[in-house]
Amino acid sequence: GAVVSQHPSWVICKSGTSVKIECRSLDFQATTMFWYRQFPKQSLMLMATSNEGSKATYEQGVEKDKFLINHASLTLSTLTVTSAHPEDSSFYICSAREPRANTGELFFGEGSRLTVL
Amino acid sequence: AQKVTQAQTEISVVEKEDVTLDCVYETRDTTYYLFWYKQPPSGELVFLIRRNSFDEQNEISGRYSWNFQKSTSSFNFTITASQVVDSAVYFCAFSGGYQKVTFGTGTKLQVIP
Repeated sequence: GAVVSQHPSWVICKSGTSVKIECRSLDFQATTMFWYRQFPKQSLMLMATSNEGSKATYEQGVEKDKFLINHASLTLSTLTVTSAHPEDSSFYICSAREPRANTGELFFGEGSRLTVL
Repeated sequence: AQKVTQAQTEISVVEKEDVTLDCVYETRDTTYYLFWYKQPPSGELVFLIRRNSFDEQNEISGRYSWNFQKSTSSFNFTITASQVVDSAVYFCAFSGGYQKVTFGTGTKLQVIP
């Protein structure tokens, strides 16, 4: 099946620094990728929809300048948490659909756990 | 707007017992997809099943089975003869075709040896 890979799996950073998380579709081209955030013991909340070659669509309440999303190619979307603070510590998961499958199935990356000190 | 409800927050069962995880959804879409994902303590999301709105056949995969009832907007998940390795958080999710996926709040299953 389709594979979506995220990197890094774990990242610890100091408050005020920026962190970039990559999401790659390994064996298919993804014109659309989705970024989710999961707080401990909570559900996955959609942050934004990443569209190749155009601006991301952010969900209500998500700060665009805080969470920069770039989808520069059909296989790569990046999420940059700018000027990270401890409250940004969370589990971030990306996902993508395999367009040829036409099934609506969403493939998820392994997730990236961010800890901001 | 779509909504997915998993009323059971946490369930504990003794190993080898059967357990059913409930999922109820709300939508006005006629074409949609329903999913179940497993999230073990390690955090990654494991895909379990996808069902489209036109296929109401129940499905069995080993110890797992799913009951899709459009009349009650439910998509329940049953694990028979539960095992400790089944301990995880299980998410039911909904997608209206190529739209975003909405997740339920999850049910934490603990299987006690």
